[in-house]
Amino acid sequence: KAGVTQTPRYLIKTRGQQVTLSCSPISGHRSVSWYQQTPGQGLQFLFEYFSETQRNKGNFPGRFSGRQFSNSRSEMNVSTLELGDSALYLCASSSSGGVYEQYFGPGTRLTVT
Amino acid sequence: GEDVEQSLFLSVREGDSSVINCTYTDSSSTYLYWYKQEPGAGLQLLTYIFSNMDMKQDQRLTVLLNKKDKHLSLRIADTQTGDSAIYFCAESKAGGYNKLIFGAGTRLAVHP
Repeated sequence: KAGVTQTPRYLIKTRGQQVTLSCSPISGHRSVSWYQQTPGQGLQFLFEYFSETQRNKGNFPGRFSGRQFSNSRSEMNVSTLELGDSALYLCASSSSGGVYEQYFGPGTRLTVT
Repeated sequence: GEDVEQSLFLSVREGDSSVINCTYTDSSSTYLYWYKQEPGAGLQLLTYIFSNMDMKQDQRLTVLLNKKDKHLSLRIADTQTGDSAIYFCAESKAGGYNKLIFGAGTRLAVHP
């Protein structure tokens, strides 16, 4: 079974631009969560989607948004990029609505210059 | 509140056991997890334990949970150089769906 895939793996953007990251969960998984990892703040929860609905949201500004499609693939978008948005963005998929095993993808490394 | 704390660094000799500790503050935590992250990679789920359990063993890994003290530990037996990585403790709460709250991570260095 293929794991969680994320595209692109690396991205360089300029301050003020916007970016869209993609995540394909493990086949059959309906929940996708997104996390931001930075050296200063560590791993922080962004949001979770389950069956195309946002079910939970972390403490990030409205510039961070996401969505999930009917095939469970998810995208997250960051508008008006700031230097502080440079981070590793990880997505995780889970099969059920409960809190059990979450499997992470390799991440997208975003650099904002 | 939501807070998970870990010591930042652990150095062990190859073949010895490693014990990585974690404390959490939220008594409503339902599941507690251990993830491993190697350089340039995502997070690998190692194991998890339900909050009503005291211990879970999985091959070289042993998880101990002291719910009274809100203390979680991960013991790696016969530590190998391939175990060198950052280990994250994480908690989830009932009603929090799949939101995980992570500690800062413990960097494990295994030397010959």
